[in-house]
Amino acid sequence: DAGVTQSPTHLIKTRGQHVTLRCSPISGHKSVSWYQQVLGQGPQFIFQYYEKEERGRGNFPDRFSARQFPNYSSELNVNALLLGDSALYLCASSLGTESYIQYFGAGTRLSVL
Amino acid sequence: KQEVTQIPAALSVPEGENLVLNCSFTDSAIYNLQWFRQDPGKGLTSLLLIQSSQREQTSGRLNASLDKSSGRSTLYIAASQPGDSATYLCASTGAGSYQLTFGKGTKLSVIP
Repeated sequence: DAGVTQSPTHLIKTRGQHVTLRCSPISGHKSVSWYQQVLGQGPQFIFQYYEKEERGRGNFPDRFSARQFPNYSSELNVNALLLGDSALYLCASSLGTESYIQYFGAGTRLSVL
Repeated sequence: KQEVTQIPAALSVPEGENLVLNCSFTDSAIYNLQWFRQDPGKGLTSLLLIQSSQREQTSGRLNASLDKSSGRSTLYIAASQPGDSATYLCASTGAGSYQLTFGKGTKLSVIP
């Protein structure tokens, strides 16, 4: 069975641009979460979606937005990119919300120049 | 606000040694605690999940324990191998919260 898939794997953008990252969860999983991992740090929570509704939002500016589609895949959008947005963006899926193991994708590495 | 700390930040051991990685958290009202492995530049691989009602979980050479009263979890790796070299992260989920709160990780190097 396919795991969590993320695209693209790498991305280079310049300051002020917009980026869209995509995530497909494991088949049967209805919850998708997004995390940002800056080099040398642990991942930081950005969003969680369950059954296409936002269930949680981390301490990130409004430049960050996300949505979940009827097939449970998800997009993370970041507007007006800053140098500090350079990071590994991780998507995780799980069957539900609190009590289930979260399975992570390989991530999208975003570089903002 | 939950804070998760992992000490040490880096650890180097010879092959075959048993070792313990430590994780501490400030808010004992956690729902579960999960240990992950991350290889350089890669995503996270889930190793073990301990529910708040449990005290430990085992998978092969790995054993994770949870002591909510002291705010601590440990990951025990038996008979370490060079392939165990990676960064190990612990993360907690709070009751009523949907997010994982991560430590910064312990970078483990197992020397052949």
